[in-house]
Amino acid sequence: GESVGLHLPTLSVQEGDNSIINCAYSNSASDYFIWYKQESGKGPQFIIDIRSNMDKRQGQRVTVLLNKTVKHLSLQIAATQPGDSAVYFCAERGAGGTSYGKLTFGQGTILTVHP
Amino acid sequence: EPEVTQTPSHQVTQMGQEVILRCVPISNHLYFYWYRQILGQKVEFLVSFYNNEISEKSEIFDDQFSVERPDGSNFTLKIRSTKLEDSAMYFCASLRSLLVQYFGPGTRLTVT
Repeated sequence: GESVGLHLPTLSVQEGDNSIINCAYSNSASDYFIWYKQESGKGPQFIIDIRSNMDKRQGQRVTVLLNKTVKHLSLQIAATQPGDSAVYFCAERGAGGTSYGKLTFGQGTILTVHP
Repeated sequence: EPEVTQTPSHQVTQMGQEVILRCVPISNHLYFYWYRQILGQKVEFLVSFYNNEISEKSEIFDDQFSVERPDGSNFTLKIRSTKLEDSAMYFCASLRSLLVQYFGPGTRLTVT
């Protein structure tokens, strides 16, 4: 069945370092992926997304890489700041349903940034 | 910037009672969702809603759950007879025509 999972449940970095958060997915038919950031007591906040016809997309300080060959997704955060500390979730949308269908979330990675 | 809002932020109820969780999606959005997150676990899809009807629902969304868009702004999730295992954060999300679903801040439901 479908599943989206994360390799590392926790990640600790120093302020200013680059962070890489990884995600594995098992549904090869997924056509859209999205990263959310969740701070304590808040809802998921959109960071960046990527369609399956792309392998890289850049935003402000963030880059998402998609490797469909190995079904792997990563989120790179440049010059990580203490405000980046949160839980990061990847999510996927399976193809074949509606274009506005459900998201399947991974377990989440806790990112802690030390000053 | 428009946001999804949810009320209440925290709801405590006794087992067997009915609860209604309320959401106001972003005003020009057309697709609406409920997700839940049990403490320490991943976010799970419950139901999607479009054009005044359910478009998809998960196994979690059984006969005890219902959704409604009673007017042009509110989107509600009702749990008819709550169980202890319904305790979770419930998130509403909405979508217009792009791919990004925008989430509200959540309602923490505690069933005692």
